[in-house]
Amino acid sequence: DSGVTQTPKHLITATGQRVTLRCSPRSGDLSVYWYQQSLDQGLQFLIQYYNGEERAKGNILERFSAQQFPDLHSELNLSSLELGDSALYFCASSVLQGASGGELFFGEGSRLTVL
Amino acid sequence: GENVEQHPSTLSVQEGDSAVIKCTYSDSASNYFPWYKQELGKGPQLIIDIRSNVGEKKDQRIAVTLNKTAKHFSLHITETQPEDSAVYFCAAMNYGGSQGNLIFGKGTKLSVKP
Repeated sequence: DSGVTQTPKHLITATGQRVTLRCSPRSGDLSVYWYQQSLDQGLQFLIQYYNGEERAKGNILERFSAQQFPDLHSELNLSSLELGDSALYFCASSVLQGASGGELFFGEGSRLTVL
Repeated sequence: GENVEQHPSTLSVQEGDSAVIKCTYSDSASNYFPWYKQELGKGPQLIIDIRSNVGEKKDQRIAVTLNKTAKHFSLHITETQPEDSAVYFCAAMNYGGSQGNLIFGKGTKLSVKP
């Protein structure tokens, strides 16, 4: 158990819909990262927050947004969903701002299926 | 930006044999190279990492080597066991940068046959 909690574990929805994925980082970790994992693309970095502020942006679509709340939990919002958004979405956390200051601890992921 | 290539995409070995996974990176400023193991239904978990001031690091049956000149690094698993079967990801980043995002390779699915 990494200590990172993601909900829901599975989610099935239709094209055009909006969903919210939630992540609670390990106790004491200030950085939260979101990654998308699809079969052919591996782990794609989406976005990072540190202590409530956005720190880095990767290949995140404009239809996607995220935020980190004062209690440090984070939410990833996916809107106008398309079939290609079906993937496993991982949240990870670390103590420091930069990932190499310590390891990333990954949650077990939220599997999104868009029909 | 950084780009990480990982080979092979699949690897099958007999129990007790060695397994080697290789990665190359593009950004010469990258100086931190972790390896993650992802078991079925789980999130990736760090198994070993290496920084650019070190050429090799070993932890029991796993070792990682780094060639900064060639910009490639490798994971070596000796005396493989069935529980080593998983997907392995290499990653790279520039330690000390304000951005903490790791760039991952596409993964290698390792199967260890008993």
